[in-house]
Formats: sequence, structure tokens, C-alpha cells
Amino acid sequence: EVQLVESGGGLVQPGGSLRLSCAASGFTFSSYEMIWVRQAPGKGLEWISYISSSGGTRYYADSVKGRFTISRDNAKNSLYLQVNSLRAEDTAVYYCARQYRSTTSCTLDYWGQGTLVTVSS
Amino acid sequence: QSALTQPPSASGSPGQSVTISCTGTSSDVGGYNSVSWYQHYPGKAPKLMIYEVTKRPSGIPDRFSGSKSGNTASLTVSGLQAEDEADYYCSSYAGTNNWVFGGGTKLTVL
Repeated sequence: EVQLVESGGGLVQPGGSLRLSCAASGFTFSSYEMIWVRQAPGKGLEWISYISSSGGTRYYADSVKGRFTISRDNAKNSLYLQVNSLRAEDTAVYYCARQYRSTTSCTLDYWGQGTLVTVSS
Repeated sequence: QSALTQPPSASGSPGQSVTISCTGTSSDVGGYNSVSWYQHYPGKAPKLMIYEVTKRPSGIPDRFSGSKSGNTASLTVSGLQAEDEADYYCSSYAGTNNWVFGGGTKLTVL
């Protein structure tokens, strides 16, 4: 059974940092691209970052570029998101998701349950 | 404001059908075959219900169906059941490993 379990969220002051983790199991983690998505209170979902299966290619949404860093450790079946210089508007539930790519399409087929980051003084 | 537009709410009585729309642009919904729908209960992991516009993952009942016309995708839930009451989100690939999502629709079974 595919499982993605996020952790690392919490209450942090503006300007602070956190490291979010996503533990993967039930599939060959090193074969899949992964992404992070967030959902602010009362808002829709927002894609924030992508990483290739090897970790060699990374993309970021403009809203987090320069402040967030995505990484992965395929030996540990884990995905990470280092979030720095946090702002109130970064308050959200952060989800990791597996990106499945076929010859004709892409699908985010499995998601974790999310970890809440609250930025407040 | 979300990139894809969904109605904030939808409702129907048990046994009825309800359709939820998801409107984007030619750069996302209209330009790719990678439109998906997710069922989400608060505090839980979003669950894939429809992918590649019309396909159902294994285990998803055929009461759930998807379609697309131009820049608008739709999710139809037929034979509504109480357990279908949840939030539903659409998503579309938008190129260069970038995804866009709808704001979510709260489906109420009356």
C-alpha cells in the first residue's frame, strides 16, 4: 500500500524556518517524481515545488522561490521541504504528492494527509 | 483566487446526480489530457477519483465519471450516497512540472 506521511509542521514566528519531511512507503520511491502542495486556510490548493526522481531537477512557484528548498534522500525514501524566511501568508497545510508520468499524461496519484505550518508571532 | 474555477458548493439528494465544473484556460485544462479530480475529507489525504479526464483508478465506483469540453472539465457523481459528501478538487497539469488546482467544491448530500 502506497503511503506518504508528512511531518515537521508547527508554530513558527515570522522570519523563522522549518524542515518538512514526507516519508514514503509501499513503492519504489527513487522511481518517482514528487511535489509539494499547500492549502492556506479557506483557500484552494497551490503547487509550490517539484523534484525529479533523481533530485537533479527542481522547480518552485514564484511565491516561494528563494525561500523554500525541496530535496530528497532516495536511500531513506524521504522527501523534504526546507522553508525559510516564513511569512504569515505561508500559513497552510503542506502536502506531499507522488507524480506519476505516463507517455501521454501526468497524474498526482497519491497524497499524504498534510502537516500544518502556522506562522505567527 | 485559484487558477481553476470551481463552484464553492453543490448538493443533491441520495440517488440523484450532481455535476461539478472546473474551468481553466487553454494553457492548462484545455491544453493537456492531465485533468484529475480528488475527494478530500478534512484532515485526510486527498484521494484520486478521476485521472486523465475520464479514467477511474482501481476501486473507484463507476458512479464517478469525468469529462472535458474545451477549457472546462466536469465531474459527475451519479446515484449520490451519503459517503460522497466531501470536498472535491480538480487539478490540471500546466507544463514544466507545474500544476494548477481549483478552489474546491463542497458536495452536500441532502
